[in-house]
Amino acid sequence: GAGVSQSPRYKVAKRGQDVALRCDPISGHVSLFWYQQALGQGPEFLTYFQNEAQLDKSGLPSDRFFAERPEGSVSTLKIQRTQQEDSAVYLCASSFNRGFSYEQYFGPGTRLTVT
Amino acid sequence: SQQGEEDPQALSIQEGENATMNCSYKTSINNLQWYRQNSGRGLVHLILIRSNEREKHSGRLRVTLDTSKKSSSLLITASRAADTASYFCATERTGGFKTIFGAGTRLFVKA
Repeated sequence: GAGVSQSPRYKVAKRGQDVALRCDPISGHVSLFWYQQALGQGPEFLTYFQNEAQLDKSGLPSDRFFAERPEGSVSTLKIQRTQQEDSAVYLCASSFNRGFSYEQYFGPGTRLTVT
Repeated sequence: SQQGEEDPQALSIQEGENATMNCSYKTSINNLQWYRQNSGRGLVHLILIRSNEREKHSGRLRVTLDTSKKSSSLLITASRAADTASYFCATERTGGFKTIFGAGTRLFVKA
């Protein structure tokens, strides 16, 4: 079946622009995660949704970052007034549930470059 | 701010040799997972070990978990050039929602 998809795959934004990154999780997956991955580093947790509820947004680096999943499926990560330090790969992952035995399936990521 | 720490940071071996990577973490966990990432396929789940398990096998992979030492190891036996990738451990903490990844071990397998 279809995996996790993300769009766009690449985004170049001028400093100060707003961007919106989309994630289509695997159908039926309850849990959805957003991560930020800098070059040479592991993914850093940003936020977690269980269905449409955002249960953890402790990893969002500033109030310029906002995520939503209004109908419990597709999710959007929005970054307002982008800064150069926002340049990274943004990964989305979904899982059937969370916790004890559920692996996460990752999308290909969106590479954001802020110039 | 990442909780997991992988060791070594980089590893270069010959094809056919075994590769061992270690991971340490800081808090109580539900489970620990290992992922592989290369440029061709992105992040791919390899194996999950629950907090009440001590060892798990999957093909050429063997994972151990020592919750008393808060550490795990990943062994890849009879390595192949195609195993060249970065390997990350990830932990799900009990009572929370975050998944924490380490900085990864970069494995290079020479043909």
